[in-house]
Amino acid sequence: QVQLLESGGGVVQPGRSLRLSCTASGFTFSSYPMHWVRQAPGKGLEWVALISSDGSNKHYADSVKGRFTISRDNSKNTVYLQMDSLRSEDTAVYYCARYYYDSGGYQTDAFDIWGQGTTVTVSS
Amino acid sequence: QSALTQPPSVSGSPGQSVTISCTGTSSDVGSYKRVSWYQQFPGTAPKLMIYEVSNRPSGVPDRFSGSKSGSTASLTISGLQAEDEADYYCCSYTSSSTYVFGTGTKVTVL
Repeated sequence: QVQLLESGGGVVQPGRSLRLSCTASGFTFSSYPMHWVRQAPGKGLEWVALISSDGSNKHYADSVKGRFTISRDNSKNTVYLQMDSLRSEDTAVYYCARYYYDSGGYQTDAFDIWGQGTTVTVSS
Repeated sequence: QSALTQPPSVSGSPGQSVTISCTGTSSDVGSYKRVSWYQQFPGTAPKLMIYEVSNRPSGVPDRFSGSKSGSTASLTISGLQAEDEADYYCCSYTSSSTYVFGTGTKVTVL
């Protein structure tokens, strides 16, 4: 069964750090670029970061650039999100997601498999 | 990167059609056929409904359709059903090699 499972969320004080993990199963993880998307309480979805399948290319939303770092370990089928200098506005449910490949095997710019999310609360 | 603009809510009676708009700029929706749509129920992860403006993944009912004109993409739900009541989000690739989601629309079935 194709699955993504996030972990590492919790309550953290402003200015501190937290590392999220997302472990994949049921597909060839090393072939897929991976994303992090977040959703603040009662708010909409916000794209956060992308990492290429081999980890060589990374892109970030302006709101987290310089504070968050995405990385991956293909030997562990896991993608990470290192979150430093956390702010109250980073409070959200964080999802990892993978690209959707259509029936022809073509990578689209859509996300078909999502984890269940892990909750990060930044509060003093 | 500002969020794409969607109406906060739309509503319709069972069997009717509703359309959700998603307005961006020439840096995102206006320049690419890389718009997707997601359905989300409270407390659950989003589900992919439409990719590349108008394509449906396997398993998504053909009541859901997508289109685009200029910098505005649209999702239409035809033959609205009670089970379609949810939040819907658009998403576009951007010229910065990033992605931007819409503000979200709550669909209510009257």
